Amino acid sequence: EADIYQTPRYLVIGTGKKITLECSQTMGHDKMYWYQQDPGMELHLIHYSYGVNSTEKGDLSSESTVSRIRTEHFPLTLESARPSHTSQYLCASSRAGGDNEQFFGPGTRLTVL
Amino acid sequence: AQSVTQLGSHVSVSEGALVLLRCNYSSSVPPYLFWYVQYPNQGLQLLLKYTSAATLVKGINGFEAEFKKSETSFHLTKPSAHMSDAAEYFCAVRLGAGSYQLTFGKGTKLSVIP
Repeated sequence: EADIYQTPRYLVIGTGKKITLECSQTMGHDKMYWYQQDPGMELHLIHYSYGVNSTEKGDLSSESTVSRIRTEHFPLTLESARPSHTSQYLCASSRAGGDNEQFFGPGTRLTVL
Repeated sequence: AQSVTQLGSHVSVSEGALVLLRCNYSSSVPPYLFWYVQYPNQGLQLLLKYTSAATLVKGINGFEAEFKKSETSFHLTKPSAHMSDAAEYFCAVRLGAGSYQLTFGKGTKLSVIP
């Protein structure tokens, strides 16, 4: 079982609130990723990091930001949540090497009212 | 550019019947291919992966997939469906060793009828 954790699992908040979704892994992986998943749709990469102090935007444009100050921690922040941000957010990590799979956390289901 | 197509957003099989979930990819370089399973309210779990070794790959829970370069396919099969196989299945492709990003298909929801 993969050791990657996300909190909270479920979050319901009002429009305009600032939120941070937490993601931590204990596997020592350099690579970490954030995906957005809507029902019936593929996962879309919104942010990734190849190591400490390295962050990049993914294929899907997102108003969120990320940071990577420690190897094990990769939080995602929304400065001002809107209903359009309602979705499931999945965090993942992987070792170096293209043949290595990504390990996923359980996800955070965000609802913005 | 790479893409993944999963044929059938919803597949229903009877318990004990063959499971076949289809995945086709497009890639200009030899790909790495993955199948993941997602149970309700959970993250994705790796079922199996193809990394240019054997073309027939065996995974967990009795699943296997065959890489067919000529057909650009990586279909997932299981000889006998079990009720616990009901979940959503995602095929994903990665472009070679230099890329760490995965491109996912839209997923196939598998229902198993008793």
